[in-house]
Amino acid sequence: DVKVTQSSRYLVKRTGEKVFLECVQDMDHENMFWYRQDPGLGLRLIYFSYDVKMKEKGDIPEGYSVSREKKERFSLILESASTNQTSMYLCASRLAGGWGGNSPLHFGNGTRLTVT
Amino acid sequence: AQKITQTQPGMFVQEKEAVTLDCTYDTSDPSYGLFWYKQPSSGEMIFLIYQGSYDQQNATEGRYSLNFQKARKSANLVISASQLGDSAMYFCALAGGSQGNLIFGKGTKLSVKP
Repeated sequence: DVKVTQSSRYLVKRTGEKVFLECVQDMDHENMFWYRQDPGLGLRLIYFSYDVKMKEKGDIPEGYSVSREKKERFSLILESASTNQTSMYLCASRLAGGWGGNSPLHFGNGTRLTVT
Repeated sequence: AQKITQTQPGMFVQEKEAVTLDCTYDTSDPSYGLFWYKQPSSGEMIFLIYQGSYDQQNATEGRYSLNFQKARKSANLVISASQLGDSAMYFCALAGGSQGNLIFGKGTKLSVKP
């Protein structure tokens, strides 16, 4: 079974802090993604990466950056946390070669971040 | 632009009955895929079922089936014989284009009553 592990289940940070959310997958997947989930808004794509050291902006990248130095690890960085970044953050991975029934997204359990 | 819509914020169903969760989409891509995910209160996202735009038959996976009506751009999830453990949020997602990133609907909260 694919395992996507997010380092923290809950995080509480102060406004202005630099925040790192870590995600590790153990199935040698090339593609990795960061989403945020808010009630009534569903999941929105922040950043994604199709290979090591590659990154691309998703739909809501403002206020975030990412790092992918190793294939299995994809980090989401909040440069200066703000209260409107309080949310559930979900990491996902999948095989390369695009989407399809044989390469669905596999998600971690999420990190619930509160910025006070 | 791609768009995916789930119009039912919440649904109730009696245990052992069937339930249909609605999903409509809009895309100009000739090739695309539709996914359904389940998110229980624990927060994990569980992949349920996939339908490709060129698939001739509706997808089925155990108690889950996808009612795919391409002309109407709908991809409704049907859960047969509902169980208490089916209570969860359900998300429909659309993938297409060269990158194939998934865009998600806002979700439907399903509650199964005993």
